[in-house]
Amino acid sequence: GDSVTQMEGPVTLSEEAFLTINCTYTATGYPSLFWYVQYPGEGLQLLLKATKADDKGSNKGFEATYRKETTSFHLEKGSDQVSDSAVYFCALRRETSGSRLTFGEGTQLTVNP
Amino acid sequence: GAGVSQSPSNKVTEKGKDVELRCDPISGHTALYWYRQRLGQGLEFLIYFQGNSAPDKSGLPSDRFSAERTGESVSTLTIQRTQQEDSAVYLCASSTAPGQATYEQYFGPGTRLTVT
Repeated sequence: GDSVTQMEGPVTLSEEAFLTINCTYTATGYPSLFWYVQYPGEGLQLLLKATKADDKGSNKGFEATYRKETTSFHLEKGSDQVSDSAVYFCALRRETSGSRLTFGEGTQLTVNP
Repeated sequence: GAGVSQSPSNKVTEKGKDVELRCDPISGHTALYWYRQRLGQGLEFLIYFQGNSAPDKSGLPSDRFSAERTGESVSTLTIQRTQQEDSAVYLCASSTAPGQATYEQYFGPGTRLTVT
């Protein structure tokens, strides 16, 4: 079945450090890929997405590129801020699976000043 | 406009009791999803409603779990004879019809269920 594997957390970085949170997936066909973010005390929000191979999703300084050859969708940001502290979830969706999202386990990120 | 709302925000119940969790989707969203998030884990799909089609119940973990949806509005997730392993945050999401160019799932704040 479909699955998503994320880099284990927690991850702690200093402000302005380069961030990478790894995500790989297993799925048949061509799923759409997503990163969701859950800020402290808030609901889950879509951060970015990519719907086909080699697409790059970007938002709020975050980027992720859909790499079919490595089945990966790693999240990157060049310079972090304390306000980026949150839990990040990688997810996939196959249109043939009724549009449900399959999530990774989440990565807790803490950015220190 | 208003987002997805869920009630109650927290629920503590005794083992063996039944509970009902409510979800109000975004107005006009035809699709509605329930997920469960256990402590330290990712979200697990439970059930999916789309318009008047039969729901996809393939994620429900046991026959103690059921869900209903009234038309394209409110949904209720019911857990009968609750067990301690049911303790989790239950998240609801809604979206426009799948297949539309920009459809995305918007999540509610969740209901934290604790079974004692």
